[in-house]
Amino acid sequence: GAGVSQSPSNKVTEKGKDVELRCDPISGHTALYWYRQSLGQGLEFLIYFQGNSAPDKSGLPSDRFSAERTGGSVSTLTIQRTQQEDSAVYLCASSLVVGSNQPQHFGDGTRLSIL
Amino acid sequence: GNSVTQMEGPVTLSEEAFLTINCTYTATGYPSLFWYVQYPGEGLQLLLKATKADDKGSNKGFEATYRKETTSFHLEKGSVQVSDSAVYFCALKGSSGGGADGLTFGKGTHLIIQP
Repeated sequence: GAGVSQSPSNKVTEKGKDVELRCDPISGHTALYWYRQSLGQGLEFLIYFQGNSAPDKSGLPSDRFSAERTGGSVSTLTIQRTQQEDSAVYLCASSLVVGSNQPQHFGDGTRLSIL
Repeated sequence: GNSVTQMEGPVTLSEEAFLTINCTYTATGYPSLFWYVQYPGEGLQLLLKATKADDKGSNKGFEATYRKETTSFHLEKGSVQVSDSAVYFCALKGSSGGGADGLTFGKGTHLIIQP
């Protein structure tokens, strides 16, 4: 597609449930990034993929968070046993390649609300 | 680690006023610097970037110069319009690790332009 596509755009779920967020990057972009935007913490980097590989998972907030990417394209961010503090907007971005001067293009995000 | 500090908002200006939003950073090596903008109800968009010292990024009448001596990347515009009302984020991407880590963002500055 023309831009980074994320789904769902909004997700409301009960505490303790698992959720799966999806990101479809710009076609041909090999690097993919996940961020979280919340009122208290601002924009936080979570994890990135170079192809299907995630070299560093230390930015994930807890072991309830996991992410995968298959086929060098679509990525999913999974949150298990959701907690109220997981409520935030989850943003995905992609860039052509990994590199310090590469601009990242963002999707519109998934607004996650945990009741 | 890397960090970005930008002036607190909201910043309220009249139309056609001169705008400066300050941004300073802490990073090792030679980071790339970015300004992103988030218009109401929309996703993050890249506004401009600079990848080395003394570079000037510009777009839509906005400018920012990469000043290594003062570790700053202040955003300026000579004459703002109501349509510039948005949240502006300063960000850096480090050069360590091949630049593979995600963006480090400032907290964001909410700009309100009154007619």
